[in-house]
Parts: sequence; structure tokens; C-alpha cells
Amino acid sequence: AQTVTQSQPEMSVQEAETVTLSCTYDTSESDYYLFWYKQPPSRQMILVIRQEAYKQQNATENRFSVNFQKAAKSFSLKISDSQLGDAAMYFCAYRSGIQGGSEKLVFGKGTKLTVNP
Amino acid sequence: EPEVTQTPSHQVTQMGQEVILRCVPISNHLYFYWYRQILGQKVEFLVSFYNNEISEKSEIFDDQFSVERPDGSNFTLKIRSTKLEDSAMYFCASSEGVDFPYGYTFGSGTRLTVV
Repeated sequence: AQTVTQSQPEMSVQEAETVTLSCTYDTSESDYYLFWYKQPPSRQMILVIRQEAYKQQNATENRFSVNFQKAAKSFSLKISDSQLGDAAMYFCAYRSGIQGGSEKLVFGKGTKLTVNP
Repeated sequence: EPEVTQTPSHQVTQMGQEVILRCVPISNHLYFYWYRQILGQKVEFLVSFYNNEISEKSEIFDDQFSVERPDGSNFTLKIRSTKLEDSAMYFCASSEGVDFPYGYTFGSGTRLTVV
């Protein structure tokens, strides 16, 4: 079974600074997708960024980018120019990419990000 | 931007009672999911639903749980006889497809409190 590990229960960053959230995963599959979701105090799960495992190029979405290291099974999220609105719980998630395989998302335990003014 | 709508936002129920959590997925989405998050813990998959049938379910999704798409727009999760340990945030999600780059759109959740 696939597992996702987020080793940092909490992180903090100064406004306008850069922060990196760690995520590692374990899988025997060669084809899969990885996601970062943000959960603000409103509790809604919001997709931040996604990555296909077969793409070597790291995904970017404005101030959010990932460092995808397939061999190391690592998928970290970098937030640049942090804003107060970035404060939230961040979840890393895995999904199989095998044709006919599981569609479920497997989540890590999350990292609570605090942004200090 | 299209949204997944969940009602109610918060429900309190007595142990042993039946509850129905409601979701309205995005209209052109075909794949529907329920996840739950016990307070302070990770988000866990419950069930996926496609073409009017369950396509996958987790060990959590036992005989006490059922899902239904009664009228082509709503997607419901029923818990027949609630237990204290069913207290959690329940998230509905939908997706247009299962291939990348389709992502999942989550609703804002229903907080279920069993007393």
C-alpha cells in the first residue's frame, strides 16, 4: 500500500520569505500523480499544485513550485513571497496512475503553516 | 468558478441515529468521492462512485455506510447507526475524469458530531 509522510507537523515563515514543506512517499508503482492541497481555517480542501510522475519538469503555479525527486520519492512544496493568506494546513497526496487502478487520494498527515507579519 | 456544495455544514446527532450527508457535485463531473477527516488526523478515503455504482471503497466503509445519487444531481452519504467514532469532518469531492490533469474539487465539508 502507498504511504505519504510529511515529517514537519508545523512550520512558520515570515511574510515575504520563502518556505519549503517536505513530503516523501512510498510506492512500488511507476506511474502516479502527486498533489499538494491547502486547507485554511474554513476547512475546505483547495488544490495548490499537481505533478505527473513521468514528467521530470517540476510543476509551478505562480508563487508555488515543487521539487520532485522521483528516485528519492520526494515531493516538496516551495512557497515564495509568503503571504498572510498562505497560512493553512498543507496536505501532500498521492494517486495511482495505473490504468484501471485506484482513484483514491492517499494523504499525508499535513503540515500547519503559520505566516508571521 | 464551479463549486461542490455540501449540506449541512454542521450536524449533531445522537449515537445510534441515522444521518444523511448531502453533496451537489459540479454538474459535468462524473466521478464522486467521500473522504473523512477525524479532528487532528489525516484525510482518509471512504468511497468512490461512478456510473451509479461504487467503484472503490475503503475498510472504513462498512455496512453502516451507503452512498446514493438519487436524482442525478445530489450525491449522498448515509450512516445508518452512528457511533461516537464517526465524529469527523466529511468531505465530498468530484472529478470530471480520472486521467491527469483532472483534479478533484472538494466541498467545504460537513462536520458531524455524534453525542
